[in-house]
Amino acid sequence: GQNIDQPTEMTATEGAIVQINCTYQTSGFNGLFWYQQHAGEAPTFLSYNVLDGLEEKGRFSSFLSRSKGYSYLLLKELQMKDSASYLCAVNRGYSTLTFGKGTMLLVSP
Amino acid sequence: DADVTQTPRNRITKTGKRIMLECSQTKGHDRMYWYRQDPGLGLRLIYYSFDVKDINKGEISDGYSVSRQAQAKFSLSLESAIPNQTALYFCATSDLRDRDDNEQFFGPGTRLTVL
Repeated sequence: GQNIDQPTEMTATEGAIVQINCTYQTSGFNGLFWYQQHAGEAPTFLSYNVLDGLEEKGRFSSFLSRSKGYSYLLLKELQMKDSASYLCAVNRGYSTLTFGKGTMLLVSP
Repeated sequence: DADVTQTPRNRITKTGKRIMLECSQTKGHDRMYWYRQDPGLGLRLIYYSFDVKDINKGEISDGYSVSRQAQAKFSLSLESAIPNQTALYFCATSDLRDRDDNEQFFGPGTRLTVL
């Protein structure tokens, strides 16, 4: 079966840095997505990693290690609006995604 | 205007009723998907379609059917709704020609309650 693991919840303070981990064991791997989802809203694209290494986009960075089946999303200079769920999703090929259960991040003042 | 729209946004129905959720997109994408989202279970794929003549089952297709009426329209039907189909339903689209292979764009969701 397909297995994608993320912590269920995390808390952090405004202005801090937080790292959300994702480990995966899937049949097929073409890349890994991170999506952000505010409560009751649609997921929105944050990043996509195909090759090993770190990709940076402003306050958000995403890292991938294919040999370890591991990725993380790094959020810097946290803001209250970053309180949301963060979804890790594996592109297994066949143009479908398999999602993890999501990590709920709560940012406090 | 939103690129991916879903109707209705909210629906309350009774056990045994037939219900249809509709999705339309103006992105010109060939690929369309239906997911359901439940607390603690994440997003799970119900059905997907790569063009008008192509329909594929996802991981949880039992109790659901779909119709791809046109490139821009993909509807999800519950033939006889049951309470455990209460969930938040999302439609999504993707374009293989996109640089980020298979980045999916989501509609706003339909909150369905089956009593």
